[in-house]
This record gives sequence, C-alpha cells and structure tokens, in this order.
Amino acid sequence: EVRLVQSGAEVKKPGESLKISCKASGYSFSSYWLGWVRQTPGKGLEWMALVYPGRSQTRYSPSFEGHVTISVDSSVWTAYLQWRSLAVSDTGTYYCARQGADLSDYMDVWGSGTTVIVSS
Amino acid sequence: DIQMTQSPSSLSASVGDTVTITCRASQDIRESLAWYQHKPGVAPKLVVYAASRLESGVPSRFGGSGSGTHYTLTISSLQPGDLATYYCQQYYRTPLTFGGGTKVEI
Repeated sequence: EVRLVQSGAEVKKPGESLKISCKASGYSFSSYWLGWVRQTPGKGLEWMALVYPGRSQTRYSPSFEGHVTISVDSSVWTAYLQWRSLAVSDTGTYYCARQGADLSDYMDVWGSGTTVIVSS
Repeated sequence: DIQMTQSPSSLSASVGDTVTITCRASQDIRESLAWYQHKPGVAPKLVVYAASRLESGVPSRFGGSGSGTHYTLTISSLQPGDLATYYCQQYYRTPLTFGGGTKVEI
C-alpha cells in the first residue's frame, strides 16, 4: 500500500524556522515526483513545490520560491518542506502528495496534512 | 501561469440529483486535467485524471469530460457522502494550478 505519513501539527511565532516532513512507503521513492500543496481557508489549494528524489531535482511555484525550501533524504524515504522565517500568512494545512513519474502529472496519493499555525 | 476558473463556487443539491461542475483553463491543457474531492479534515482524494479517466475505486457516478480549455465533472445520483469541495487542477505545465473549488452541499 502506498502511504505518505506527515509530521504533526506545529504552532510557531513569526520569524521562527520550521521543517515539516513526509515519509513515504509502499512504492519506489526515487522514481516519482513528490510535491507540497497548501490549503488556506481563503485560497483553497495552492501547489507549492516538487522534488524528484532520484535526481534531487526541484521545481517551485513562483508564489513560494525563495520563501520555502523542499528537500529529500532518500535514505529514510522522506521529503521535507522548510521555512527560515515564518510569517502569519504561512498559517494553513500543508499536504504532501505523490505526483507521478513525469513532471507534468497528477497527484494520486496524498498525506493526511500538517497544520501550521503562526501567531504571535 | 495557466489560470483555472472553476464554477460555481458552491451549489446545493438533493440526494439523487445530478450536478455538474465546470473548469476553464486560460490556455489549451491537452486534457491534462484532474479532479479532486476534499472533505474537511481529511486528505484530498483523486477522482478523475486525464480529464475523463476515473481513478480506481471511485464510483461510476462520477464522470469527467472535456478538452482544450473547457472541462466538466458530473456527479450523478448524488449521495450524502459526496458532500465535499471539488477542485480541478491542470498538470499540463508547471506551476501546476488549481481551480478555486466548488463546495457541494446536500
């Protein structure tokens, strides 16, 4: 069974750093793109970034590039999303999702989400 | 970026009804279109990919169609479990982009 297990909810203050994780199992981790999607009450779903573990290639949405960093540790089948300095506007639920073998592909398996609350 | 315009933003229907959700892309996306069902508190679920292909395990009451810039998701014989927000997404080109969502209320 293909599974994506995400790290738990976080409560942070503006300016703090954060790294959330997504551990994959049940498929060839190195052979599929894996992405992050944000959900906020006002904006629905927003595609943020992708990483291809087999080649450590990354792609970012212009809306998020420079503000977040996507990475992987293939030895533990885990992808990460990292912020150096959180803002209140980063509050939301973050989903990881397997995208497929091609860069242009749909997201067929999703994690259960990590809720991030940024508040002073 | 490819813009995805989804309509309506919400709809109310009764059990047994047929509902249709529309998604329009700002350019031809060559049927690289997926539909997702998102219920509160759970992960989004893939319903349709390649505009018209039903994901494994999804009831045949769900159907997708369209080409070029215009796509639709149809839910026949609406069931209480279909209460959710539905999103279209183009995956023709990065950045992948979602429609604004359609909240289906029973």
